[in-house]
Amino acid sequence: DAGVIQSPRHEVTEMGQEVTLRCKPISGHNSLFWYRQTMMRGLELLIYFNNNVPIDDSGMPEDRFSAKMPNASFSTLKIQPSEPRDSAVYFCASSSTRVPDTQYFGPGTRLTVL
Amino acid sequence: DQQVKQNSPSLSVQEGRISILNCDYTNSMFDYFLWYKKYPAEGPTFLISISSIKDKNEDGRFTVFLNKSAKHLSLHIVPSQPGDSAVYFCAARAPMRFGAGTRLTVKP
Repeated sequence: DAGVIQSPRHEVTEMGQEVTLRCKPISGHNSLFWYRQTMMRGLELLIYFNNNVPIDDSGMPEDRFSAKMPNASFSTLKIQPSEPRDSAVYFCASSSTRVPDTQYFGPGTRLTVL
Repeated sequence: DQQVKQNSPSLSVQEGRISILNCDYTNSMFDYFLWYKKYPAEGPTFLISISSIKDKNEDGRFTVFLNKSAKHLSLHIVPSQPGDSAVYFCAARAPMRFGAGTRLTVKP
């Protein structure tokens, strides 16, 4: 099993640019989570999907952030326009209904907004 | 709001000794607790968990203790090994909330 795949691994962009982060969950998993990790706040849950439907997006910081899951094997997290304070590592994780509490994380995308 | 808190950002332990990582939570509705381990440049990986109906769960060198009255859980690693050096995240659900992490360094 390839595990959760995220791309790109690193992204450097300038303030005001649009950023799109991508995630492919583990095949057969029906829940997908987007997290942001910063030194100050640790791991924060941004949004999670169940069966491709957004269930809880209360962690999305502002309207500049949006997430989609068009099918069971793909999700995107978009920031438009990006700001320097968005710089962080963004993780995607997935889980299955058989073991809902164990989430499998991708390697993360390190985003730097200049 | 920090519903899950790990107040020690770092911990250093000698190889062979016990490592104790602590975690406090504020939401009494949390019913399941997990510990994740994270190496640099990798995503967190699941380590061990405990349901709120239990007070202890053991898996090899790793034991998690839960004190519901104090809203406190801890992870014990015995004996500690250099390969255990990583950042450890405490998590609770639902919904899933993570602490800020504790960096454990095990010295040979």
